[in-house]
Amino acid sequence: AQRVTQPEKLLSVFKGAPVELKCNYSYSGSPELFWYVQYSRQRLQLLLRHISRESIKGFTADLNKGETSFHLKKPFAQEEDSAMYYCALSGYGGSQGNLIFGKGTKLSVKP
Amino acid sequence: GAGVSQSPSNKVTEKGKDVELRCDPISGHTALYWYRQRLGQGLEFLIYFQGNSAPDKSGLPSDRFSAERTGESVSTLTIQRTQQEDSAVYLCASSSTGFLTEAFFGQGTRLTVV
Repeated sequence: AQRVTQPEKLLSVFKGAPVELKCNYSYSGSPELFWYVQYSRQRLQLLLRHISRESIKGFTADLNKGETSFHLKKPFAQEEDSAMYYCALSGYGGSQGNLIFGKGTKLSVKP
Repeated sequence: GAGVSQSPSNKVTEKGKDVELRCDPISGHTALYWYRQRLGQGLEFLIYFQGNSAPDKSGLPSDRFSAERTGESVSTLTIQRTQQEDSAVYLCASSSTGFLTEAFFGQGTRLTVV
């Protein structure tokens, strides 16, 4: 079965500290993985996707097929990074609503 | 409008009543999605509209749930005989490409069934 697991409901770090938001997935084929972010009182928006291999707002995520993980990392957290982060999986290129979301991790960056 | 608009933003209803949630997508977006997130849970897919094609209703949890969309305009999600487990944030998103990863999400409607 397709599944996305984000083991941490809440992650609290100090400003300037490294942060890693964990995401593990279960999928039999070749999935596409995404990270979404929702800042306080704002809309859910796409942060990055693994196929782009991009860095957005200092965040990166590498797909590790051996460990079936797609952890989100940032070397130096900023207070404005505080938000809800959702990992998502798609086996169909992200179309037709076939994105499966994890339960989300709330990141709190303290000054 | 500038983005996807959902109304109401908050709705409290009594168990057993019917509710209608509205989504105004971005003009010209052919794809529209409804998701919900119950407390402590991940986002659950409900239904997907793409242009004039038959909607993908595979995520609707029961026959109490239905959704309509006329053309590429407003969509309404209707929940009949609401139950407490229907309490959730209902999110709508629209996309010009049909890819959810290129969609814009609304702010959501927080539904509380008491």
